Amino acid sequence: AQSVTQLGSHVSVSEGALVLLRCNYSSSVPPYLFWYVQYPNQGLQLLLKYTTGATLVKGINGFEAEFKKSETSFHLTKPSAHMSDAAEYFCAVFYGGSQGNLIFGKGTKLSVKP
Amino acid sequence: GAGVSQTPSNKVTEKGKYVELRCDPISGHTALYWYRQSLGQGPEFLIYFQGTGAADDSGLPNDRFFAVRPEGSVSTLKIQRTERGDSAVYLCASSSDRAGYGYTFGSGTRLTVV
Repeated sequence: AQSVTQLGSHVSVSEGALVLLRCNYSSSVPPYLFWYVQYPNQGLQLLLKYTTGATLVKGINGFEAEFKKSETSFHLTKPSAHMSDAAEYFCAVFYGGSQGNLIFGKGTKLSVKP
Repeated sequence: GAGVSQTPSNKVTEKGKYVELRCDPISGHTALYWYRQSLGQGPEFLIYFQGTGAADDSGLPNDRFFAVRPEGSVSTLKIQRTERGDSAVYLCASSSDRAGYGYTFGSGTRLTVV
């Protein structure tokens, strides 16, 4: 079965430090890839997405992610963490075909220390 | 409307009761999705509508769960004989096309079965 793995259920960084959240997917067919952010008691907000074309994708709030087919990865990065980045982050994939749904990872909770 | 609206935002019900959760998608979005998010987990797919018909209901956990979208806009998720294990946040999302272009999520309905 197709799956999405997010390494680390909880990541803690200092304000100003690099943020790296890891995501790997299981498929030989490149899917569409997404990162969503969820703030407490809110719905999911799209950060960025990869469909086709350039493998380095820039999103909102200074986040970016790089699709690496050889590593089946789509890690999310931000050069300098801000306190407001504290939230839960979900990686998701869409494989197309007859199914219309996204498959989500279990999420990584990001904490930012002052 | 401007976003995906879900009502109620919170619902507490007694075990064994029937509940209905409503989703009002973005106007003109033909695709509508229901997901369930349990504590500490990523969203899990329940059902996908394209227009009025359920294109994929493979994620519904059992026959106590049912969803409709009679006019191709508003959708209702119905849960019969609720159990404590049904407690979760139920998320709705809509899209103008297939999921490849990303969904817009509502804020969810937090269902608590006591």
